[in-house]
Amino acid sequence: QSVLTQPPSVSGAPGQRVTISCTGSSSNIGGGYDVQWYQQLPGAAPKLLIFGDVNRPSGVPDRFSGSKSGTSASLAITGLQAEDEAIYYCQSYDSGLTGFVIFGGGTRLTVL
Amino acid sequence: QLQLQESGPGLVKPSETLSLTCTVSGGSISHYSRFWGWIRQPPGKGLEWIGSVYYTGSTYYNPSLKSRVTISGDTSKNQLFLRLSSLTAADTALYYCVRHEYLPGATVDSWGQGTLVTVSS
Repeated sequence: QSVLTQPPSVSGAPGQRVTISCTGSSSNIGGGYDVQWYQQLPGAAPKLLIFGDVNRPSGVPDRFSGSKSGTSASLAITGLQAEDEAIYYCQSYDSGLTGFVIFGGGTRLTVL
Repeated sequence: QLQLQESGPGLVKPSETLSLTCTVSGGSISHYSRFWGWIRQPPGKGLEWIGSVYYTGSTYYNPSLKSRVTISGDTSKNQLFLRLSSLTAADTALYYCVRHEYLPGATVDSWGQGTLVTVSS
C-alpha cells in the first residue's frame, strides 16, 4: 500500500482533458513538501514531468500542469494525445517513518 | 549529460544477497546537495524507494527494508552500490539507480535504465 493515494486508472478521448489526483497526509503533501509527477511509458524508466508542484522541466509540453491544495495534488493533461498513454506517478518527501522518497501507486492513463 | 548505468546478476537464489553497481558518468557522486539511491519496481507494480546515500556518506533507508539493505558509494570510481540480503521472490524487480534532491520534495531528476533482478532457485 502506497503512502500517496492515486486512482488506479483514468481514461479520455483524444483532445479531452483528464486529471489525476494524489492524496497524502500532513507528514508529506500537507506538510508543504513539494509534489512531483513522473510519466512512465511502456518499457521505459520514469521521466520527470512536473517538479515543485507546478513546474515543467524543459521539453515537457504545457499540456501538462500540476497543482496542489492541502493534502492533495493533481496532474492535468489537456488536449489528450495517443502518446500520452502511460502510467503516471506522484512523488513527494515524507517527514514521518514511511521513508524519505515516497510514491503514489501509479495511475494508468488510457487514451480511448 | 548525466548517465547512470546499473549492472549486476539477473538471477539470484532465494536467501542469497544481491549486489548491484551503478556507474555514474557526466557528473560526480560527491556533488554537493545531491543524493544517490536505488528505487525498484516489481513487474507490473509501482515504484518503491529502497534507500539513498548523501555526498557526505550518510545513508537513508526505507524502514521496510532497512534491516536488509546497505548502500554505499566509491567516489574514486564514481560508483554506487546496493546490497540486499535474505532475498525472497518478493524482491524480484527492476532496480533503478537514481539521483535525487533533498528538500523541498526529494525530486528524482535522473534515472538509470534499470536492471531486472529475478529471485528464483
